Amino acid sequence: SQQGEEDPQALSIQEGENATMNCSYKTSINNLQWYRQNSGRGLVHLILIRSNEREKHSGRLRVTLDTSKKSSSLLITASRAADTASYFCATDADSGYSTLTFGKGTMLLVSP
Amino acid sequence: DAGVIQSPRHEVTEMGQEVTLRCKPISGHNSLFWYRQTMMRGLELLIYFNNNVPIDDSGMPEDRFSAKMPNASFSTLKIQPSEPRDSAVYFCASTLGGADTEAFFGQGTRLTVV
Repeated sequence: SQQGEEDPQALSIQEGENATMNCSYKTSINNLQWYRQNSGRGLVHLILIRSNEREKHSGRLRVTLDTSKKSSSLLITASRAADTASYFCATDADSGYSTLTFGKGTMLLVSP
Repeated sequence: DAGVIQSPRHEVTEMGQEVTLRCKPISGHNSLFWYRQTMMRGLELLIYFNNNVPIDDSGMPEDRFSAKMPNASFSTLKIQPSEPRDSAVYFCASTLGGADTEAFFGQGTRLTVV
């Protein structure tokens, strides 16, 4: 079963705008990760944030984590057409197993 | 390293046939995951291996599915007999340390069962 659920399911913006995607999860986690998937390709890791961290940056990416609300957000600033992809959050579901479960993703379309 | 390598990239087979998907993880990685991706169900975890041992296979849909990891550099996912509802993209991913580190994905195998 999916641990994380992304919101919105789809997002359409213009180049230069910021894109914000949210992820909610159900059980305690040790870390949360964000991945990107271009059409027809495998997933590519973007950023990992641990449960004791509240915010993390990587280039144009900013991730926040609120463990009290069991939610995370991914912000892409100054978006580009090349950012068009699906974005997934993944959690390690603190169940004793170190498995990695994904949500259904947010499909982002950035128009030139 | 060439990354995680999956084969074949595409597979079309008839219902009832046996299908074997293959995965070569990144050298040195000790964890391997098999996922299935469909539009309806998203990315589903099928099975997780750690140090070649199956740790969690609760996601394997039914007995028709089986997975093996005979050594650290090779894993297979077998479907026998295949059914049209098995049509999906199957991904393999490997990590250095379970879900605590970055997962590297292969390019996937697109399976079509007719």
